[in-house]
Amino acid sequence: NAGVTQTPKFRVLKTGQSMTLLCAQDMNHEYMYWYRQDPGMGLRLIHYSVGEGTTAKGEVPDGYNVSRLKKQNFLLGLESAAPSQTSVYFCASSYPQRVGGGDEQFFGPGTRLTVL
Amino acid sequence: SQKIEQNSEALNIQEGKTATLTCNYTNYSPAYLQWYRQDPGRGPVFLLLIRENEKEKRKERLKVTFDTTLKQSLFHITASQPADSATYLCALDKRTGRRALTFGSGTRLQVQP
Repeated sequence: NAGVTQTPKFRVLKTGQSMTLLCAQDMNHEYMYWYRQDPGMGLRLIHYSVGEGTTAKGEVPDGYNVSRLKKQNFLLGLESAAPSQTSVYFCASSYPQRVGGGDEQFFGPGTRLTVL
Repeated sequence: SQKIEQNSEALNIQEGKTATLTCNYTNYSPAYLQWYRQDPGRGPVFLLLIRENEKEKRKERLKVTFDTTLKQSLFHITASQPADSATYLCALDKRTGRRALTFGSGTRLQVQP
């Protein structure tokens, strides 16, 4: 049981390049999330998904796209990377088992992205 | 505007003492609040959940309180150990029904042996 895995662990891009971050979970969780973490700003929600084939915008969605074609995978794409997207990206998943929410989120190890 | 505030300065305490971390929020009415631990280079790990109708929650050496009048949660680690050194994040919901969390920026705890 690997939990939540993220690929790659590190990446350096040049401005304008594109890339896709892959998140995979083997816990059969319905919900998946992408966050970015910047110094002093905490985790900010980029996009999330409440099930296979569905996605929704979070707090900071501009410049990112996502897809959830399979329940276990959640992809985050950067079409044209900008230096402002330099950050650590975390994927998380949860299972809606609690009435009224409050389900714990399981996080991956993160992807450290630098855009030059 | 909505804010979640955690002390950005590191908290340094001696081994064996009780560590108390604070999470204050404004312009939120969360149904629940969670605490996570994050070690350097790793993703956050869930520790405790407390709901709006609960005053206190305990798990082993951890205790969380939630005061919706003061809009504050306190996180206590009793008999602290050097292994407790990490950054602790509080997170709360926005009652949007989407089960997404809003995180504070975290407080780094350093327990000296």
